[in-house]
Amino acid sequence: AQSVTQLDSQVPVFEEAPVELRCNYSSSVSVYLFWYVQYPNQGLQLLLKYLSGSTLVKGINGFEAEFNKSQTSFHLRKPSVHISDTAEYFCAVSDTRPGNTGKLIFGQGTTLQVKP
Amino acid sequence: DSGVTQTPKHLITATGQRVTLRCSPRSGDLSVYWYQQSLDQGLQFLIQYYNGEERAKGNILERFSAQQFPDLHSELNLSSLELGDSALYFCASSVGENGGGYTFGSGTRLTVV
Repeated sequence: AQSVTQLDSQVPVFEEAPVELRCNYSSSVSVYLFWYVQYPNQGLQLLLKYLSGSTLVKGINGFEAEFNKSQTSFHLRKPSVHISDTAEYFCAVSDTRPGNTGKLIFGQGTTLQVKP
Repeated sequence: DSGVTQTPKHLITATGQRVTLRCSPRSGDLSVYWYQQSLDQGLQFLIQYYNGEERAKGNILERFSAQQFPDLHSELNLSSLELGDSALYFCASSVGENGGGYTFGSGTRLTVV
């Protein structure tokens, strides 16, 4: 079974400052990793994903994440945030084994609050 | 617009009632996933269908059921509703049955009073 822990429930940051949202996972098998963003009253939008290959993954809106297998982490970073980045961010994992159904296990979410 | 269409957007109903939530996947996607988002439980996987067949089941209550029709749209049926069923219900779709990052709809907000 897999589990995901997002280490911060809320992250306040000033506009144009860098930000890191932390995600750790637990799994006995290899996993795929994802970050989703949820803006108020909207659905979830895929920011980026790690399936294989380079451990540094670039996504939309200037976000990137680094997969660290030894530390079982997949932290999300952005060098300079905007007010419009204010949203809920979810880290998720899924099983890579053959026959995997693509079911996602989500963390509890991190609220990014960008202040002017 | 993500391409995944969910209707209705909002639903208010009384305890004990039955409701049906509808999802139309993105064009070309064969898999449909249902998730429930609540304040206490977070995002929980309910069920997946692939090309009309049930593929995986998660934390779905016996009072809940789903199906995927030949045109690939899916319906989630919730019956004997309780106050605790109030939540956002999301549908997502993907091309294959293994996920790999799928597209979510904007959700149906169910309020049980």
